[in-house]
Amino acid sequence: EVQLVESGGGLVKSGGSLRLSCAASGFIFRDYSMSWIRQAPGKGLEWVASFSYNNNYETYADSVKGRFTISRDNAKNSLFLQMNTLKVEDTGIYYCVRGFRYFDYLYDYWGRGALVTVSS
Amino acid sequence: EVVLTQSPGTLSLSPGERATLSCGASQIVRNDNYLAWYQHKPGQAPRLLIFGASTRATGIPDRFSGSGSGTDFTLTISRLEPEDFAVYYCQQYGISPPTFGGGTKVEIK
Repeated sequence: EVQLVESGGGLVKSGGSLRLSCAASGFIFRDYSMSWIRQAPGKGLEWVASFSYNNNYETYADSVKGRFTISRDNAKNSLFLQMNTLKVEDTGIYYCVRGFRYFDYLYDYWGRGALVTVSS
Repeated sequence: EVVLTQSPGTLSLSPGERATLSCGASQIVRNDNYLAWYQHKPGQAPRLLIFGASTRATGIPDRFSGSGSGTDFTLTISRLEPEDFAVYYCQQYGISPPTFGGGTKVEIK
């Protein structure tokens, strides 16, 4: 059974940092692209960043570029999101998601999410 | 980026009724059909329902169907079951950045 479990969320002040982790199980982690998707309170879904499986290529939303870094440890079946210079508008639930087949941006499994709250 | 506009914002229906949700793209999506639909219930992980505009994901009941191409897409739920009341998002996944529509909430009337 595919499982994605996020951790590392919490409350942080504006300008601070947090590191999210995602523990993956039930599939061959190194064979799949992985991404982070977020949802601000009362809002829709927003793509944050992706890490392609086949060329180690990272892509970022303009809203987080230069502040967030996505990384992965295939030996530990883990995905990470280092978030620096956090802003109030970064508040939301952050989902770890798996790419479907060879697609970087289509997602077939989602974690339950980690809550990040950035206060002013 | 490709902007996706979903309508209506809220759909109030009774169990057993048919639901028709629309998603319009600001430009033609890649391959005319790189469009997916997700179901999202409060406190749960979103679930992939449809990809390629019309292909059901594994385990998705056949009361869910997707149609459309280019810029206009539709998700139809033929007969609403109690567990279908949720928020539905469309997403294009062919052009970076991937984008989501604002969502349609299907609520019990």
